[in-house]
Amino acid sequence: DTAVSQTPKYLVTQMGNDKSIKCEQNLGHDTMYWYKQDSKKFLKIMFSYNNKELIINETVPNRFSPKSPDKAHLNLHINSLELGDSAVYFCASSQLLTEMNTEAFFGQGTRLTVV
Amino acid sequence: GQNIDQPTEMTATEGAIVQINCTYQTSGFNGLFWYQQHAGEAPTFLSYNVLDGLEEKGRFSSFLSRSKGYSYLLLKELQMKDSASYLCAVMDSNYQLIWGAGTKLIIKP
Repeated sequence: DTAVSQTPKYLVTQMGNDKSIKCEQNLGHDTMYWYKQDSKKFLKIMFSYNNKELIINETVPNRFSPKSPDKAHLNLHINSLELGDSAVYFCASSQLLTEMNTEAFFGQGTRLTVV
Repeated sequence: GQNIDQPTEMTATEGAIVQINCTYQTSGFNGLFWYQQHAGEAPTFLSYNVLDGLEEKGRFSSFLSRSKGYSYLLLKELQMKDSASYLCAVMDSNYQLIWGAGTKLIIKP
């Protein structure tokens, strides 16, 4: 019954590896997001997809590539992992945020540690 | 640039009242959100303000002044379970959420 689920919850990997984080939402939302929360606790948006189309792509290295096979899924693939990629990554979903749709639902987060 | 400021940490006593402030400078404004985030968990929605004034929801209230670029979250009758980080976020003109770093609230018995 989890509304937004992401896997894995914890991911420890070595520098240079390629890894993926999966996200699924069962809320029927049109829009999905990936956020990165660093050690200073800032939540920074990385990507946003609406109906499988990319609508926000903040300045992130092109080693990060989102994939949305359908509007219920938004996966994040990371190539050539670096130490600075260590953070908690949150997936979220909402209807397209407008004044009328006011809530984003978050997954439980994936704590990525690059060693 | 866009900026959201809130205190890093606050301490309060169980049963008391605490006010967490947030000031913002963003390109456009389409509402301000407060989210609660317990350690190691996902943020969860608390409130949304788009018009000036106070919105009350149980023990939690949120206030907005758009002319001052200012909001606060008021928590009454504090309980130990209220220990968490409280995140202020503003929706800008592109309907994108700009997040503050969060205020860690510590509740003492």
